[in-house]
Amino acid sequence: EIVLTQSPATLSVSPGERATLSCRASQSVSNHLAWYQQKPGQAPRLLIYGASPRATGIPARFSGSGSGTEFTLTISSLQSEDFAVYYCQQYNNWPRTFGQGTKLEIK
Amino acid sequence: EAQLVESGGALVQPGGSLRLSCTASGFTFSNFDMNWVRQAPGKGPEWVSSISTSSHTIYYTDSVKGRFTISRDNAEESLFLQMDSLTADDTALYYCARATGWYGSLDCWGQGTLVTVSS
Repeated sequence: EIVLTQSPATLSVSPGERATLSCRASQSVSNHLAWYQQKPGQAPRLLIYGASPRATGIPARFSGSGSGTEFTLTISSLQSEDFAVYYCQQYNNWPRTFGQGTKLEIK
Repeated sequence: EAQLVESGGALVQPGGSLRLSCTASGFTFSNFDMNWVRQAPGKGPEWVSSISTSSHTIYYTDSVKGRFTISRDNAEESLFLQMDSLTADDTALYYCARATGWYGSLDCWGQGTLVTVSS
């Protein structure tokens, strides 16, 4: 099973600043890596697929990068609605696995 | 607009059974691989099972193998999860999710149905 390790567990950032979230895979997942945003009481929402393309309707301030085992989600200028929990997920191997999440909170 | 609506969640005793349903609308259900993903209270999502468009290929996470059965009815645009021999560890919000391909991300999620296993 591929283990995805997200860091940091919690990230405190001020609105308007940049946030950088990391996801490391225990073995290569090629570019089969997605990022999801989850707000309280809501289902996860797809942000990024294939490591870097944005999903439909996702603002350009969200960007993804990486391949193999190291991946990054960057939010260039945080808006109030961006404070949430973010998960990475690999879909290269079975079982599909998720990271444990990074909580992005207001500083 | 694509939409998924789950139902069937309930409070069930350990060892009991439950059948979850997910009804799709707004897209051609038969063209998409489908998944069940669960999320225990305060935890991250956990993939449970996937089924291909024609039901020919199915995968399960190890912890549910032999106890859960995924199925679909393309004519009824519905996805199912039969859950048997339930334990407290199965307590979670169960989401139905559409995949963009067999090697695809999950681009459409329902709002979930709550399964609580407790005596």
